[in-house]
Amino acid sequence: KAGVTQTPRYLIKTRGQQVTLSCSPISGHRSVSWYQQTPGQGLQFLFEYFSETQRNKGNFPGRFSGRQFSNSRSEMNVSTLELGDSALYLCASSQSSYEQYFGPGTRLTVT
Amino acid sequence: ELKVEQNPLFLSMQEGKNYTIYCNYSTTSDRLYWYRQDPGKSLESLFVLLSNGAVKQEGRLMASLDTKARLSTLHITAAVHDLSATYFCAVLGANAGNMLTFGGGTRLMVKP
Repeated sequence: KAGVTQTPRYLIKTRGQQVTLSCSPISGHRSVSWYQQTPGQGLQFLFEYFSETQRNKGNFPGRFSGRQFSNSRSEMNVSTLELGDSALYLCASSQSSYEQYFGPGTRLTVT
Repeated sequence: ELKVEQNPLFLSMQEGKNYTIYCNYSTTSDRLYWYRQDPGKSLESLFVLLSNGAVKQEGRLMASLDTKARLSTLHITAAVHDLSATYFCAVLGANAGNMLTFGGGTRLMVKP
């Protein structure tokens, strides 16, 4: 089975711009979760989508949004980028709550 | 609110030595995970612990869970350089879907 894929792997954006990140889960997995990793805040949960519905949401401003498509692929959007949004964004794919498989991540740099 | 604390945050040890990383969490949890992260890389799943008293071992790593104490440990036996990485514990709260709350991580450096 192919693993979790994330695109793009690296991204450089300017403050004020918006960005869309993509995550393709493992085939058959219906849950996709997104996490932000920064040196200062560590790993923080953004949101989880299950069967195209947002099931959980972390404590992030409304500039962070997401969606999931019928094929379980998920996108995350960040509008009006700030310097503090520079981070490694990880998505995790799950078939049940037993195991979560993480993708390689998208490293976003905001200048 | 679920809080997860790991200690130590940084661990430098000699090859061949044993050590334990601790993970405390604040509320009832359905399960606990241990992950490894190499610099610039993603998270690699090491263990999933489901119930009180659960113990799992893989090579030089052994993880255990005490749900009554809300404590998990990751024990390293006879460390080797290849174990150098950052280790995270993560807790799945009750009724939280797949939302994981992570500890701050333990950066492990194993010196020859």
